[in-house]
Amino acid sequence: DIQMTQSPSSLSALVGDRVTITCRASQSIGMFLSWFQQRPGKAPKLLIYGTSSLESGVPSRFSGSGSGTDFTLTISSLQPEDFATYFCQQSYTPPWAFGQGTRVEIK
Amino acid sequence: QLQLRESGPGLVKPSETLSLTCTVSGGSIRSSSYYWGWIRQPPGKGLDWIGTISHFATTYYNPSLKGRVTISVDTSKSQFSLKLSSVTAADTAIYYCARHESGTKNAFDIWGQGTLVTVSS
Repeated sequence: DIQMTQSPSSLSALVGDRVTITCRASQSIGMFLSWFQQRPGKAPKLLIYGTSSLESGVPSRFSGSGSGTDFTLTISSLQPEDFATYFCQQSYTPPWAFGQGTRVEIK
Repeated sequence: QLQLRESGPGLVKPSETLSLTCTVSGGSIRSSSYYWGWIRQPPGKGLDWIGTISHFATTYYNPSLKGRVTISVDTSKSQFSLKLSSVTAADTAIYYCARHESGTKNAFDIWGQGTLVTVSS
């Protein structure tokens, strides 16, 4: 099974900061990588699919990059509504595992 | 706009079977472009993929659940269902149903609100 590892597990940042979250797969998954945002008490929301394609309605300050085993989610200028937990997920082959999550907190 | 809603008991006794249903509204469950899946989240923890069913009713399950899972679809009712047998306290979680767009996105793009299931006697 493919394991997904995110880093860091949590971070503190200021509004306006540039934030980068990393996701590493235990074997190559091509570009079959999605990112989700989850606010407290809410269901996850798809932000990015196919490593770098922005889901409809998602602000352009979110971007994704990478391929193979190493992937990155970047928030170019953190906004108050971005404080949440972020998960990556591989959709290359079942079991379609999630990363353990990265909690973005207010500094 | 497509919506998903989970329903089922919020409390299940240890060793019994957890049964949940996801009702799809505002769109078709029959489309060949979509699969339908279940994901769970223990309180305060991360997301665990449970399983997915395709439009051909092909199923994919997380092997970590050791054969306890069954997912089925009832297109006449626009519903798909989850059964998890022999539950323990470790199965206590928020259970989400979600649509997996199997074409361009290849991702869970629409989620239900989730339902908390507690395993306790």
